[in-house]
Amino acid sequence: DAGVIQSPRHEVTEMGQEVTLRCKPISGHNSLFWYRQTMMRGLELLIYFNNNVPIDDSGMPEDRFSAKMPNASFSTLKIQPSEPRDSAVYFCASSFEGAARYFGPGTRLTVT
Amino acid sequence: QKEVEQNSGPLSVPEGAIASLNCTYSDRGSQSFFWYRQYSGKSPELIMSIYSNGDKEDGRFTAQLNKASQYVSLLIRDSQPSDSATYLCAALYNFNKFYFGSGTKLNVKP
Repeated sequence: DAGVIQSPRHEVTEMGQEVTLRCKPISGHNSLFWYRQTMMRGLELLIYFNNNVPIDDSGMPEDRFSAKMPNASFSTLKIQPSEPRDSAVYFCASSFEGAARYFGPGTRLTVT
Repeated sequence: QKEVEQNSGPLSVPEGAIASLNCTYSDRGSQSFFWYRQYSGKSPELIMSIYSNGDKEDGRFTAQLNKASQYVSLLIRDSQPSDSATYLCAALYNFNKFYFGSGTKLNVKP
């Protein structure tokens, strides 16, 4: 079975540009999570969806970040405009009924 | 106080030894606990989950939970260099709050 799928795997962009990260959760999972990981701050939860509905977005750093989940098999995380401090690895994870999270391979974002 | 605490390490053990990784948590209401392994440059991978007091074994891995003392541990028997990674402990509260520790880096020396 396919795990969580993320794209792109690497993204290099210039400050001020829009960045869109994509995620396909594991089929049958009803919760989806976006995490950010940096050396300084570790693994941070940005937002999570349950049954396609955003439940907790308190971890979204600021209004430049937005996330959508139009259906059970697709989610996006958008940063507009991007800044160098947004450089990190962004993980998408999914779970069933709030249990263990299964992570995708991540997107390594570099903003210059 | 962080919800889940781990010693950042690094923990160094010789090949073939038992590696013991520990984690403490602050909320007695937590229900489930998880251990993830993360290789450098890779995503966290779930390796064990434990829900009740006692030990749970899976191959070379044993997870231990002591709710009275609020700690969780992971034992890796016959450690191999391929076990060298960062191990993240996580706790689930109230079915929707999931907290990760900062991870313990394990080095297994050949």
